[in-house]
Amino acid sequence: DAKTTQPNSMESNEEEPVHLPCNHSTISGTDYIHWYRQLPSQGPEYVIHGLTSNVNNRMASLAIAEDRKSSTLILHRATLRDAAVYYCILRDVGSGGSNYKLTFGKGTLLTVNP
Amino acid sequence: DAGVIQSPRHEVTEMGQEVTLRCKPISGHNSLFWYRQTMMRGLELLIYFNNNVPIDDSGMPEDRFSAKMPNASFSTLKIQPSEPRDSAVYFCASSTAGVRNSPLHFGNGTRLTVT
Repeated sequence: DAKTTQPNSMESNEEEPVHLPCNHSTISGTDYIHWYRQLPSQGPEYVIHGLTSNVNNRMASLAIAEDRKSSTLILHRATLRDAAVYYCILRDVGSGGSNYKLTFGKGTLLTVNP
Repeated sequence: DAGVIQSPRHEVTEMGQEVTLRCKPISGHNSLFWYRQTMMRGLELLIYFNNNVPIDDSGMPEDRFSAKMPNASFSTLKIQPSEPRDSAVYFCASSTAGVRNSPLHFGNGTRLTVT
């Protein structure tokens, strides 16, 4: 699986926007960019994914660089509940058939200050 | 939708004992994944199934670990004999095979402590 690089930790203030960066310089044409987060004492949960275009959903926005070698997860107004480890993962859907697994890195620990 | 259900939530056992972890995937999902999480190694994929068939078990640490999926609504991960280094949180996840980018839905995990 292609690798991603994320900062170990980031800090934000409540109700301010948060931009979580991810570098993936070896991304291939069939890799989708997925983001998951893991709240304390819970399993990971899906946040968002994209291929080339920027994506928005109720949880967050995903901005993808034109060359696809980096992306940014944007939380528009951080809340205390957003404190979690955020994982940026490349998922290869080009191999066809059955390769749907996700390989997690170390992620970014986001701290939200009240 | 009850989500992915794992049991037990916590398990404490002595070295050498057999441990069985259980998972009920979301109804209608046909892919099931077992992950293990430790501070040192993070989240590691142990094995995953599509349509009850094991597809990739390359992450299973050794022969002491085995996983089964006898039907679409139930899976087990067994460790026999257990060792202290098996202490970790074990997560089960499910998704829909055949749907590109189908997200994984995780359970809340089983925290295993082997003394």
